[in-house]
Amino acid sequence: EAGVAQSPRYKIIEKRQSVAFWCNPISGHATLYWYQQILGQGPKLLIQFQNNGVVDDSQLPKDRFSAERLKGVDSTLKIQPAKLEDSAVYLCASSPRADTEAFFGQGTRLTVV
Amino acid sequence: DAKTTQPNSMESNEEEPVHLPCNHSTISGTDYIHWYRQLPSQGPEYVIHGLTSNVNNRMASLAIAEDRKSSTLILHRATLRDAAVYYCILSYGGSQGNLIFGKGTKLSVKP
Repeated sequence: EAGVAQSPRYKIIEKRQSVAFWCNPISGHATLYWYQQILGQGPKLLIQFQNNGVVDDSQLPKDRFSAERLKGVDSTLKIQPAKLEDSAVYLCASSPRADTEAFFGQGTRLTVV
Repeated sequence: DAKTTQPNSMESNEEEPVHLPCNHSTISGTDYIHWYRQLPSQGPEYVIHGLTSNVNNRMASLAIAEDRKSSTLILHRATLRDAAVYYCILSYGGSQGNLIFGKGTKLSVKP
């Protein structure tokens, strides 16, 4: 079974630039999550989708972060404009339902300079 | 949200059992206990979860105290590939949504 695919694996941008991350969940998984993991900390949920609807985006900094999941499959997470403190690994995860185990991708490591 | 407390780090010898403790004294009756682990440069990986009874799967066992205020993840025979950060997480009603990861326990396995 193919896992959660994320791209790019690494990205370096200057502050105030924009960046987008892409996630392809496991086929058939209705629930999709984006997490942010700052070095030395555990992952923090940014947004949860159920199909193409948002379930929880309470921790998403909406002034600069946006996410969408068109057609309930792939998802993109965008940061515009980026700040130094956005340097982190951005993890995408999916699960068949919200009450089943989540499968994580390898993440995208973002460095903002 | 109910919180968990784990040791920052633990060491184990290869092929020996490992008991990773987790305290969750403010757990509510509907909170499930989940364990995930994160290998270096990888995303977290589900290990096991339970509510009240002890649970076993191919990866590990989960022992839950009778009062549910603590639990222990048991790796029966540690291998070098088990070296990772192990996270103990509580979630309301079993939902995997908004898993609140702490800093976890960094497990080192010595050959």
